Amino acid sequence: SAVISQKPSRDICQRGTSLTIQCQVDSQVTMMFWYRQQPGQSLTLIATANQGSEATYESGFVIDKFPISRPNLTFSTLTVSNMSPEDSSIYLCSVEWSGSGTGELFFGEGSRLTVL
Amino acid sequence: GQQLNQSPQSMFIQEGEDVSMNCTSSSIFNTWLWYKQEPGEGPVLLIALYKAGELTSNGRLTAQFGITRKDSFLNISASIPSDVGIYFCAGQDLIFGKGTKLSVKP
Repeated sequence: SAVISQKPSRDICQRGTSLTIQCQVDSQVTMMFWYRQQPGQSLTLIATANQGSEATYESGFVIDKFPISRPNLTFSTLTVSNMSPEDSSIYLCSVEWSGSGTGELFFGEGSRLTVL
Repeated sequence: GQQLNQSPQSMFIQEGEDVSMNCTSSSIFNTWLWYKQEPGEGPVLLIALYKAGELTSNGRLTAQFGITRKDSFLNISASIPSDVGIYFCAGQDLIFGKGTKLSVKP
C-alpha cells in the first residue's frame, strides 16, 4: 500500500482567493487522481494528474478553476482558484497502487476547505 | 456516463445485527470495489471483486459480484460500533456510489 500525505488538512479561505493543496506519496506511482467530496456527498473525480503533462479533467471541471501540477511520480498539487462558498468541500488525493487499471485506490486523509 | 445506485442511503442498527447494502449500475462492470470512510479520513478499500459471481470475504465482511455484472452487495455480520462509517461502492472507472451511512447503537 501507499502512504499519502496531504497538506493542508483543513483551511478557512476568503471568497476570491486561491489555495493550493499538496499531495505527497511515499513511493512512485503511475496514476494519481484528485477527488472532491462536497458536504454529505459522495466522491466526484476532478481529474487525473499526469506526470510531465497536462492533467485530464472530467466533465464539469476545467483547468482554469482547478490547475493541477505533477512534476514527478510522488507529488502533485491541486489549486482551487477564485474560490466561492460553493467550493467548500473535502479535496482528496488518491493513487492507483498497482497501475493495473482495476480502480483500486488509496486515498489521502483529505483537505477540508471552508470558503467564507 | 455510468451511474451507480447505492442503497440504502443510511442504516441505524443495533450492535450484533447483520447489515446488507447493495449497488446497481446502468452498465456492465469489470470490477466492483467497496470502500469505507470514517469521519475525517479518506476512503479505505475493503474488498475488490473481479469476476461475475465472485464471492469474497474479509473478516466479517462479505461481498459478491452479481452474475449480470451490473450489481454487487456488501454484507457485514455481527456489527460492532467500529463499523460506523460511510460505505461506498465503486467501479473500475473511478466512479463512486452515493454511499450508505451506517450507524451502530451499542
